[in-house]
Amino acid sequence: EAGVAQSPRYKIIEKRQSVAFWCNPISGHATLYWYQQILGQGPKLLIQFQNNGVVDDSQLPKDRFSAERLKGVDSTLKIQPAKLEDSAVYLCASNPGAEETQYFGPGTRLLVL
Amino acid sequence: AQSVAQPEDQVNVAEGNPLTVKCTYSVSGNPYLFWYVQYPNRGLQFLLKYITGDNLVKGSYGFEAEFNKSQTSFHLKKPSALVSDSALYFCAVRDPMFSGGYNKLIFGAGTRLAVHP
Repeated sequence: EAGVAQSPRYKIIEKRQSVAFWCNPISGHATLYWYQQILGQGPKLLIQFQNNGVVDDSQLPKDRFSAERLKGVDSTLKIQPAKLEDSAVYLCASNPGAEETQYFGPGTRLLVL
Repeated sequence: AQSVAQPEDQVNVAEGNPLTVKCTYSVSGNPYLFWYVQYPNRGLQFLLKYITGDNLVKGSYGFEAEFNKSQTSFHLKKPSALVSDSALYFCAVRDPMFSGGYNKLIFGAGTRLAVHP
């Protein structure tokens, strides 16, 4: 079974630029999560989708971050404009919805200069 | 509020010796508890979980964890450490009573395990 796919794996941008990350969850998984992992910290949930609807985006900085999952499958996370403090690894995870274990992709490492 | 604490930034152990990585939690209800491992430049890999039932949970790669409700702990253990176990370990908790987000996980800050030959 294929795992969670993410791209790109690495991205370097300058502050105030925009960037987008892509995630393709495990096939059949209804729930999709985006986490931000700052160096030295544990992952922090940014947004959670159930199919193509948002369940929880309470920790998403909505003035600059946006995410969508239009067809209930893959998802994109966008940052516009980026700040230095956005430098982090962005992890995507998925699960079937009823089962408790979340499965994570390899992450996208973002460096904002 | 839900929270997870991993009191040790790093744990050092010699290969072949037993290892313990500590985790304590705070939730309002009965917790769902998880351990994940992260290797360099990789995502998080699921190791094991406790939902209900036997307090001793066995997981991948010979790891196990013991749920202790009175001490609100869920320590990760392995009888004999391998150099290849060296990685970053994260404990996470989900409070099923928390209605703010379906299946939301709260992660600890992580513990770096270093196994020396």
